[in-house]
Amino acid sequence: DVKVTQSSRYLVKRTGEKVFLECVQDMDHENMFWYRQDPGLGLRLIYFSYDVKMKEKGDIPEGYSVSREKKERFSLILESASTNQTSMYLCASSGSGDLKNIQYFGAGTRLSVL
Amino acid sequence: GNSVTQMEGPVTLSEEAFLTINCTYTATGYPSLFWYVQYPGEGLQLLLKATKADDKGSNKGFEATYRKETTSFHLEKGSVQVSDSAVYFCALADSGNTPLVFGKGTRLSVIA
Repeated sequence: DVKVTQSSRYLVKRTGEKVFLECVQDMDHENMFWYRQDPGLGLRLIYFSYDVKMKEKGDIPEGYSVSREKKERFSLILESASTNQTSMYLCASSGSGDLKNIQYFGAGTRLSVL
Repeated sequence: GNSVTQMEGPVTLSEEAFLTINCTYTATGYPSLFWYVQYPGEGLQLLLKATKADDKGSNKGFEATYRKETTSFHLEKGSVQVSDSAVYFCALADSGNTPLVFGKGTRLSVIA
């Protein structure tokens, strides 16, 4: 089974802190994604990556950056956390070709910024 | 651009009731269509998909038919169970290399 592991289920941070959310997948997938999920707004794509050291902006990249130094790991970075970044963050991965739209998701990290 | 519109929830049904969750889409070309499901405390997982017009995707008693004429992909189940309580997301993918476009999700609660 594909496994996508997010490093924390719950995280509490202070305004202005630099926050790292880590995601690791074990299926050698080329593609990785970061979303945030908020009530009434559904899933919104923050950043995605189709290969190591590559990144593409999604719909709401402001206030975030990402790092993909290894194929299996995709990190989301909040450079200076703000209260409006309190949310559920979901990481996903997918293969290539016909499998690129079959995304496998982690269980999520619920981040609270105080 | 591409977009997906789902019926707003929450939807509350009694066990064994018939379920329909509406999904319509806007896209250029011929997208592939998906339903993902998110059970409480978990990430999303693929429920079913259809890649061309008139295809029917099915899984776990759920079905959805790709209707190009009405640009729809409604999710149906004949008899829901309490264990079907979850959030359901409709999504589309175009033929290019852009990521999936998700609807906002519909929360389903099934009561015994």
